[in-house]
Amino acid sequence: GAVVSQHPSRVICKSGTSVKIECRSLDFQATTMFWYRQFPKQSLMLMATSNEGSKATYEQGVEKDKFLINHASLTLSTLTVTSAHPEDSSFYICSARDLGVDSYSPLHFGNGTRLTVT
Amino acid sequence: GQNIDQPTEMTATEGAIVQINCTYQTSGFNGLFWYQQHAGEAPTFLSYNVLDGLEEKGRFSSFLSRSKGYSYLLLKELQMKDSASYLCAVLDSNYQLIWGAGTKLIIKP
Repeated sequence: GAVVSQHPSRVICKSGTSVKIECRSLDFQATTMFWYRQFPKQSLMLMATSNEGSKATYEQGVEKDKFLINHASLTLSTLTVTSAHPEDSSFYICSARDLGVDSYSPLHFGNGTRLTVT
Repeated sequence: GQNIDQPTEMTATEGAIVQINCTYQTSGFNGLFWYQQHAGEAPTFLSYNVLDGLEEKGRFSSFLSRSKGYSYLLLKELQMKDSASYLCAVLDSNYQLIWGAGTKLIIKP
């Protein structure tokens, strides 16, 4: 089945530094990938929709200059948390749909990245 | 606005049956998904319903009534490993996924 690989799985960084998270679709192509954030005991919150070859679409309230998204190829999207602060500590998850299937296909999720900013 | 409601938490006994309900009000409807999410992990796909009725897949079944804006996930022969959060999500008219807050299912021996 479709596999989405996300790295790193855990990262601890100091306040003010930047962190890059990679999301790769391993056996399918994805023009669109989705980035979610999840705080403890809360549901998934869509941050942005990453489009291959174009600018990402950010949800209301998400700072595009802080959460930089690059979708350079059909199999790779990256999320960079710039100048991270402790309140950015969260579980970040990427997901994608298989291009070869229609819009009704399920999202395939990466394993998530636990970010802790000290 | 768009809204998906599901219970916050449920408790069931190992070997028993549990039904997790989900009601929705969305801008259009292109299907409803159920995902399972263990603590600290990403969600995994369980089922997809777009037509009314029951879809059975092993120990898990999912039901949909579009006229009532209602779905349920039925888990039979519960196992301890079924302890997880179960997320209901609706694909709206723009093919955007609208997520419920999730139901935390606790299985007791």
